[in-house]
Amino acid sequence: DGGITQSPKYLFRKEGQNVTLSCEQNLNHDAMYWYRQDPGQGLRLIYYSQIVNDFQKGDIAEGYSVSREKKESFPLTVTSAQKNPTAFYLCASSITDLGNQPQHFGDGTRLSIL
Amino acid sequence: RKEVEQDPGPFNVPEGATVAFNCTYSNSASQSFFWYRQDCRKEPKLLMSVYSSGNEDGRFTAQLNRASQYISLLIRDSKLSDSATYLCVVIRLPRGGNQFYFGTGTSLTVIP
Repeated sequence: DGGITQSPKYLFRKEGQNVTLSCEQNLNHDAMYWYRQDPGQGLRLIYYSQIVNDFQKGDIAEGYSVSREKKESFPLTVTSAQKNPTAFYLCASSITDLGNQPQHFGDGTRLSIL
Repeated sequence: RKEVEQDPGPFNVPEGATVAFNCTYSNSASQSFFWYRQDCRKEPKLLMSVYSSGNEDGRFTAQLNRASQYISLLIRDSKLSDSATYLCVVIRLPRGGNQFYFGTGTSLTVIP
């Protein structure tokens, strides 16, 4: 079945540590996105990529980094510069060409500080 | 002004009730509209697209009013399983590809 796979489901970060969240999709979608959701709040865009080897900052990119070396993969690194990383991280993908296609989400990664 | 605004609720309704949510958007160039459902501690899942002519899927009806720049979701005969947060989403097409704008969500609890 086609879909988006995020791993791990739960992740714990020690202070000063960088951690990487995985996002893989086999939907053949061009665009991929990373969001952060804090309890009781909406989704905030961290980074997005419309095409391989290109990505753009979203609203809250500071303390995060991404790469897009393959169409299927869009990993997110939460760096030690992100001082409040505890949140629910969601990866999404979409078709870009038509402007009327929705995003599809992975089932998320919960990140906590040890 | 936010791109998309929703009443956060919460809406607490009895089983069998009809409930409606509205969502307003600020940019008249917005192109496509969706409703998503998000269960507690889960990812958002697409509920339905929203078309200018209005569309229905079982107990759910979505409407778009471009003149007033709002979309709505009506749920009839509410079930306990409808309890969730409902997110409205708007797409625009500036340079650089699709931009998705999410509302903060409206919380619904259906009470036995």
